[in-house]
Amino acid sequence: GDSVTQMEGPVTLSEEAFLTINCTYTATGYPSLFWYVQYPGEGLQLLLKATKADDKGSNKGFEATYRKETTSFHLEKGSVQVSDSAVYFCALSGGGSNYKLTFGKGTLLTVNP
Amino acid sequence: NAGVTQTPKFRVLKTGQSMTLLCAQDMNHEYMYWYRQDPGMGLRLIHYSVGEGTTAKGEVPDGYNVSRLKKQNFLLGLESAAPSQTSVYFCASIPLGGGSQPQHFGDGTRLSIL
Repeated sequence: GDSVTQMEGPVTLSEEAFLTINCTYTATGYPSLFWYVQYPGEGLQLLLKATKADDKGSNKGFEATYRKETTSFHLEKGSVQVSDSAVYFCALSGGGSNYKLTFGKGTLLTVNP
Repeated sequence: NAGVTQTPKFRVLKTGQSMTLLCAQDMNHEYMYWYRQDPGMGLRLIHYSVGEGTTAKGEVPDGYNVSRLKKQNFLLGLESAAPSQTSVYFCASIPLGGGSQPQHFGDGTRLSIL
């Protein structure tokens, strides 16, 4: 079945540091890939997505590229801010007609001033 | 612009009690989902629905039942709550044909079973 493996945290960075959170997946067919963010006490919000190989999703300075050859969708940001502190989830929507999401376990990011 | 609304937001139950969580969406979405979130486990799918009157099991369905009598509502029931069901529950929805579209999530229901 489908699965998502993402870098375990917690990750602690200083403001303006470079961020990478690794995500790899296993899926049949051609999944759509997503990064969701969860701020403390809130639900999940879409951060970015990519629907086919070599697509780059971007939002709020975050980027991720759909790499089919390495089955990866790593999240990057060049300069993090304190307000980026949150839990980040990598997810995929695989083949089939139910469009359910398969999530990674989440990575807690803390950014210190 | 309500989107996906979950009620209640918090609830404490005793072992063996029953309750129903309500998810309501005002976007006319066809597909709806219930997930649970546990520390270190990510989100896991409990049940889902691909349309009014339909339901199907997800990854962790045991101990839960669901109903989708109206397109806009998806109910999750616990018939006899157990401490292992202490979790944060999220509802989500997407429109018909929405595999490449992101799911819209509610703010969650935090449920504690004593």
